[in-house]
Amino acid sequence: GAGVSQSPSNKVTEKGKDVELRCDPISGHTALYWYRQSLGQGLEFLIYFQGNSAPDKSGLPSDRFSAERTGGSVSTLTIQRTQQEDSAVYLCASSLVFSPPSGTLHFGNGTRLTVT
Amino acid sequence: AQTVTQSQPEMSVQEAETVTLSCTYDTSESNYYLFWYKQPPSRQMILVIRQEAYKQQNATENRFSVNFQKAAKSFSLKISDSQLGDTAMYFCAFNEGEYNAGNMLTFGGGTRLMVKP
Repeated sequence: GAGVSQSPSNKVTEKGKDVELRCDPISGHTALYWYRQSLGQGLEFLIYFQGNSAPDKSGLPSDRFSAERTGGSVSTLTIQRTQQEDSAVYLCASSLVFSPPSGTLHFGNGTRLTVT
Repeated sequence: AQTVTQSQPEMSVQEAETVTLSCTYDTSESNYYLFWYKQPPSRQMILVIRQEAYKQQNATENRFSVNFQKAAKSFSLKISDSQLGDTAMYFCAFNEGEYNAGNMLTFGGGTRLMVKP
């Protein structure tokens, strides 16, 4: 597709359930980033991928969060045993390469996750 | 670690008027990039303007311009001739320009701008 695609657009889940959020980056973009935006807050960096590799997972808020990327394309962010504090908009972005930096990221429309 | 601060949670401006959004940052780097992103209700982050720290000239994109004060670590966004479509959240963002940091961005907390008719 022409842009970064995220699905679902909105997700409502019960506390304790697992959820999977999907990101399909721009074709040919080797770098992919996940951010979390809590209500009224800025963007919190979660994790990035270079190809299928995630060199630094320290931004993930807890061990309930995991992410993977297969085939150098689609990425999935999984939250296990969801908690109410996980409610947020999860944004995905991609760039042609990870480095050298130009700072130009292309963002998707995000997934709004609501944990009840 | 770099930090980005936007001190104005909300602002409003009359249509056709000019408004300035503030941003300060903290870094020990000398070469870096600064950005303003716009987030309308659709949630998609849209790049408004980009500034490279080694360039002294302030970046301009149509009605959008920045006032980059490197010594003061200040990076404000000026929107001229405000339009209703400018209503959105605006985020200031920082990229440290180092190879190992790649294209990762650090964002400020955002400023909600309302353009009134």
